[in-house]
Amino acid sequence: EDQVTQSPEALRLQEGESSSLNCSYTVSGLRGLFWYRQDPGKGPEFLFTLYSAGEEKEKERLKATLTKKESFLHITAPKPEDSATYLCAVQAVVVSNYQLIWGAGTKLIIKP
Amino acid sequence: NAGVTQTPKFQVLKTGQSMTLQCAQDMNHNSMYWYRQDPGMGLRLIYYSASEGTTDKGEVPNGYNVSRLNKREFSLRLESAAPSQTSVYFCASSGNRRGSYNEQFFGPGTRLTVL
Repeated sequence: EDQVTQSPEALRLQEGESSSLNCSYTVSGLRGLFWYRQDPGKGPEFLFTLYSAGEEKEKERLKATLTKKESFLHITAPKPEDSATYLCAVQAVVVSNYQLIWGAGTKLIIKP
Repeated sequence: NAGVTQTPKFQVLKTGQSMTLQCAQDMNHNSMYWYRQDPGMGLRLIYYSASEGTTDKGEVPNGYNVSRLNKREFSLRLESAAPSQTSVYFCASSGNRRGSYNEQFFGPGTRLTVL
C-alpha cells in the first residue's frame, strides 16, 4: 500500500538552531514528491517539487533533498516566522496525475 | 489576482441539513480539487475535476457531490450532513502543463461543524 510518513509530529527549536524534517514514502513508483507549508487557519502553500533521487531544491533557509526512500527538509538558522506545519505529498506512478498521497505533517515551532 | 477563493469561511450545520461549499479560481487552471483535513491525518481527496465538464471520485467521496460549473468554479455539496463530516474543507487548483504534475494552489478553507 502506498504510504507517506512524516516525522517528527512536532519539533520545537530555538531561533538559529538548524534541524531537519523527514518524509519517508512507500510507493510502487515515484512520479514526484512535494513539500508544502501550512500556517494556522490557512491553506497549504507550495514550496518544492522533487522528481528524482539526488535532486535538491533551495529557498531562503529551506533546502529539500530526495533519496529513493525519503525526503528531508533542512532548515538552517530558522527564525520565528518559519513556524508552521510542513506537509509532504507524493504522486505515485500507478495513481492518476491528479491524486496525491499526503503525510500528516510536522508542526515546527521556532522560539525566539 | 485573488487565486483560489472559498465561501463560506465558517459554517455550523445540524445533522441532516444540506449545504454547498463554493470555490472559484482566477488562474485559468484546468484542474480543481476538494480535500478535507482532519487532525492527525493527511489531506484526503474527496473529488476532483481534471478539466471542465469532468469530475471523478477521490479517496473519500461518500456523502458528497460536486459540480464543475465552468472553468473557474467547482462546488461541493453535502446533501444530508453527518457529524463525521465535521472537518476543514480545502479547494485547490492546478495548471495546464501536459505530461507532468502541476503544483496545486489552495484556498483558505471552510471550517464546517456538524452538530
